[in-house]
Amino acid sequence: DQQVKQNSPSLSVQEGRISILNCDYTNSMFDYFLWYKKYPAEGPTFLISISSIKDKNEDGRFTVFLNKSAKHLSLHIVPSQPGDSAVYFCAASERSHGSSNTGKLIFGQGTTLQVKP
Amino acid sequence: NAGVTQTPKFQVLKTGQSMTLQCAQDMNHNSMYWYRQDPGMGLRLIYYSASEGTTDKGEVPNGYNVSRLNKREFSLRLESAAPSQTSVYFCASSMDRGDTQYFGPGTRLTVL
Repeated sequence: DQQVKQNSPSLSVQEGRISILNCDYTNSMFDYFLWYKKYPAEGPTFLISISSIKDKNEDGRFTVFLNKSAKHLSLHIVPSQPGDSAVYFCAASERSHGSSNTGKLIFGQGTTLQVKP
Repeated sequence: NAGVTQTPKFQVLKTGQSMTLQCAQDMNHNSMYWYRQDPGMGLRLIYYSASEGTTDKGEVPNGYNVSRLNKREFSLRLESAAPSQTSVYFCASSMDRGDTQYFGPGTRLTVL
């Protein structure tokens, strides 16, 4: 039972264009969502997050959109740069649910983004 | 600030051997976590410690034990390693449970 899914294992885009990475979830109790970026042989690096009370959060070239009714979030990178080439993980947690809040993150399988010069 | 550090970076074990993976953070975080990453499966939580003095099981705790030695350090022990425990292990920490987690560089473990 995979609660967080990234259905595209890989994505290739041209430098300067938009990259859109998608993530779907099934657990309606999730209320906090994060994107992490991972380079080979390194740990995941936090990129951007969004709370379920918002539908958009922006940080520089990175924007995360949340569609709660569709249980879908996406990460937009504009413009894409070759240094953005990495594996991107989305993750979700039940942040606000009292004693059941373990802080546990549920991760998707990851999407490998390649940005071509 | 080193953030989250892990030792060793690489380890090869034979089936049945034991070892301890070390993790330390210098961000004064209360919560710490151990994950494993396997190909095509994302990261899965093994154990976590919401605060100093407490530990709890995550999704895949079998075959592992943990110790929250103090606020800074959280170790993961494999008592009798099995080939199924070949994986990359990541330690993470957050200010409190539910907050954004920050990850260490990982330990790549191979069990023969």
